[in-house]
Amino acid sequence: AQTVTQSQPEMSVQEAETVTLSCTYDTSESDYYLFWYKQPPSRQMILVIRQEAYKQQNATENRFSVNFQKAAKSFSLKISDSQLGDAAMYFCAYLIQGAQKLVFGQGTRLTINP
Amino acid sequence: GAVVSQHPSRVICKSGTSVKIECRSLDFQATTMFWYRQFPKQSLMLMATSNEGSKATYEQGVEKDKFLINHASLTLSTLTVTSAHPEDSSFYICSARQAPINQPQHFGDGTRLSIL
Repeated sequence: AQTVTQSQPEMSVQEAETVTLSCTYDTSESDYYLFWYKQPPSRQMILVIRQEAYKQQNATENRFSVNFQKAAKSFSLKISDSQLGDAAMYFCAYLIQGAQKLVFGQGTRLTINP
Repeated sequence: GAVVSQHPSRVICKSGTSVKIECRSLDFQATTMFWYRQFPKQSLMLMATSNEGSKATYEQGVEKDKFLINHASLTLSTLTVTSAHPEDSSFYICSARQAPINQPQHFGDGTRLSIL
């Protein structure tokens, strides 16, 4: 069964600095999709970034980028120039294509220190 | 684009009441909708997946007679919590996705349900 593990329950970073959130997953599939979602205190889930497993190039969205290591089954999120508005819970997710559903990790609470 | 509207955002009601939560995709056709439950400080737990015009597929341990899901159109799905009890109090979130299946899910703002 596919599982997603986020080993950091909490992280903190100084404003304007860079932080990396870890995510590992377990799968026997060769083609799949990975996502990072952000859940601020408002509780709305916001898509941050998406990665297709067949693409070797790491996805990037402005200050957000991923380090996708397929062989290691690792999918970390790097946030550059951290801003106060980045404070939120961050969830890593894996798309089970056959079942058409997302499997979420436990989440990492990110705090930004001014 | 890709806005999902969930209503109501907050419900407080007495035990034994049935509560209906609506989830609408405003600017796209949602071939698949999902209902999640989230307990405080925990991750999202998938309750069921529904495809338009079909019966919902429930996750193991989720009572389908307790949580009725209807996905009658490509823009609307409803979750009805029947005869709600205090243990049903939680945060319920819907999401919607258009075809194909590799498209990202877009989430509603969630509904906080409190059963007294």
